[in-house]
Amino acid sequence: NAGVTQTPKFQVLKTGQSMTLQCAQDMNHNSMYWYRQDPGMGLRLIYYSASEGTTDKGEVPNGYNVSRLNKREFSLRLESAAPSQTSVYFCASSEWAGTSGRNEQFFGPGTRLTVL
Amino acid sequence: EDQVTQSPEALRLQEGESSSLNCSYTVSGLRGLFWYRQDPGKGPEFLFTLYSAGEEKEKERLKATLTKKESFLHITAPKPEDSATYLCAVHVGGGANNLFFGTGTRLTVIP
Repeated sequence: NAGVTQTPKFQVLKTGQSMTLQCAQDMNHNSMYWYRQDPGMGLRLIYYSASEGTTDKGEVPNGYNVSRLNKREFSLRLESAAPSQTSVYFCASSEWAGTSGRNEQFFGPGTRLTVL
Repeated sequence: EDQVTQSPEALRLQEGESSSLNCSYTVSGLRGLFWYRQDPGKGPEFLFTLYSAGEEKEKERLKATLTKKESFLHITAPKPEDSATYLCAVHVGGGANNLFFGTGTRLTVIP
């Protein structure tokens, strides 16, 4: 099992460009998440998906959109990148199904994004 | 307001020198407290889940404990390969499994 995979590993964008970060999990998990990690700030939740076909905003959703393509895949899109979106982005998944299930989250290796 | 605070921010230990990391939390309706290890340039790696006060979990040189207000990660006789950032997170009440993370403790173990 690969667990949670993310592409790309690194990306440099110019202000105003758009891109999509891809995430896939092979653990048959119900919930998937996108976080950003900035120095001194800890991990902050951008969006999450509790099940296929549903998405909800987290703590810092502005400037981002997400798509839960199917149970395995959850993508994060930056429509018009800004320097403030320079960060490391992590995708995670968990078995959690709304009211039950194991709630540990398992993380991918991250995408390091720089916006110039 | 839900809050998770980890201390110290950084800790340097000699190999074999045992110590503890602290995670204090102020949340309503704790549904789980998690410890993760994060190596530079990698994603967080799951270590433990604790659900109720008094619970303990162990893995090799690590032991996690939980009280009603805080959790400790005890490291016994650490080795250089234990050097990493250790993150604490809480799952609070409600239908969503959203985790609130602390900012971590950066542990360095010197040979």
